[in-house]
Amino acid sequence: GAGVSQSPRYKVTKRGQDVALRCDPISGHVSLYWYRQALGQGPEFLTYFNYEAQQDKSGLPNDRFSAERPEGSISTLTIQRTEQRDSAMYRCASSLPGTSGTYEQYFGPGTRLTVT
Amino acid sequence: AQSVSQHNHHVILSEAASLELGCNYSYGGTVNLFWYVQYPGQHLQLLLKYFSGDPLVKGIKGFEAEFIKSKFSFNLRKPSVQWSDTAEYFCAVSSGGSYIPTFGRGTSLIVHP
Repeated sequence: GAGVSQSPRYKVTKRGQDVALRCDPISGHVSLYWYRQALGQGPEFLTYFNYEAQQDKSGLPNDRFSAERPEGSISTLTIQRTEQRDSAMYRCASSLPGTSGTYEQYFGPGTRLTVT
Repeated sequence: AQSVSQHNHHVILSEAASLELGCNYSYGGTVNLFWYVQYPGQHLQLLLKYFSGDPLVKGIKGFEAEFIKSKFSFNLRKPSVQWSDTAEYFCAVSSGGSYIPTFGRGTSLIVHP
């Protein structure tokens, strides 16, 4: 079946603009995760959902960042009033629920965001 | 908060050389351990994982990793690398009851044919 898809793959925006990044998980996957990856670093957790419920948003850096998954499938990560420091690769992953972390996360191709 | 250290940021090898990539973590409790790989132009994908049982874990493409609890380590090994192993490798750790892994900063491996 299809893997995790993300759109757009590349986004260039001017400082101060809002952006919306989309993630379409693998069909049937309950859990959906957002990560941010700066150049030369590993993925850094932002937030995750089980179905439509946001379970943990402790990784969102500030209140300009928000995420939703209204129907328990597609998710949108929104960054308001973008700043240059928001430039990064934004990765989405989905997984089936498991017990005590015995899961595998399937990653999408990522969205490369550049704020000019 | 737990942290994950990958000691080698860039590794360059010739084909058939042996590989060992270091990974150490700071969490003292029960952990779940992962190695992910990203081949050029492809998605991040799981290479192998450890949850419990035999501390020597075998993954895809001939890779293996050994969990040494006393050293807080989960090093990745391959006896003989191939040019196609050129990729970025990430170690990740989650605490026993957590679904959220902490990733290391990654190791870029280049294998010369």
